[in-house]
Amino acid sequence: DIQMTQSPSSLSASVGDRVTITCQASQDISNYLNWYQQKPGKAPKLLIYDASNLETGVPSRFSGSGSGTDFTFTISSLQPEDIATYYCQQYDNLPMYTFGQGTKLEIK
Amino acid sequence: QVQLQESGPGLVKPSQTLSLTCTVSGGSISSGSYYWSWIRQPAGKGLEWIGRIYTSGSTNYNPSLKSRVTISVDTSKNQFSLKLSSVTAADTAVYYCASLAVGEHWFDPWGQGTLVTVSS
Repeated sequence: DIQMTQSPSSLSASVGDRVTITCQASQDISNYLNWYQQKPGKAPKLLIYDASNLETGVPSRFSGSGSGTDFTFTISSLQPEDIATYYCQQYDNLPMYTFGQGTKLEIK
Repeated sequence: QVQLQESGPGLVKPSQTLSLTCTVSGGSISSGSYYWSWIRQPAGKGLEWIGRIYTSGSTNYNPSLKSRVTISVDTSKNQFSLKLSSVTAADTAVYYCASLAVGEHWFDPWGQGTLVTVSS
């Protein structure tokens, strides 16, 4: 099974800060990685697909990069509405899908 | 874009079968354009993919749940369903239905989720 390790598990940052979350796969998954945002009490929302593609309608301050085993999710300038938990999700070993354990982002 | 809505009992007794339905609106479940999935999330924890079904009825399940899971589709009602048998407290979670466009492997959109508690 492919394991996804997200770090950090929680993060506190100030408005305007650049925020980076990483996701590491236990084996090479090419660019088969997506990122979601989940606000409290809500369903996850797709932000980034195929490692670096911004979903339509998602603000450009969100970005993703990486391939192989190491991936990065970045918020270039943190906004108050970005407070949420962020998850990565891999799909290299179809038809199995696995998620990272999540990163809870808070405002400092 | 399609919209999804989960429904079903919020309380299930241990050892019984959990049954949920996802109603699809804004498009036909028979279009052949999507796989239909179930995902769950225990309180305060991460997301776990349960399984998916295609319009043809072809299914794929998470190996960790495969022995207890059945996903089915009812094209006449534009719905797909989840059954999870022999539930325990560990199956208490928010259950989401979600779609995967054919040829893509990200979940979008999602239903709002429904909390199922396993308790006597």
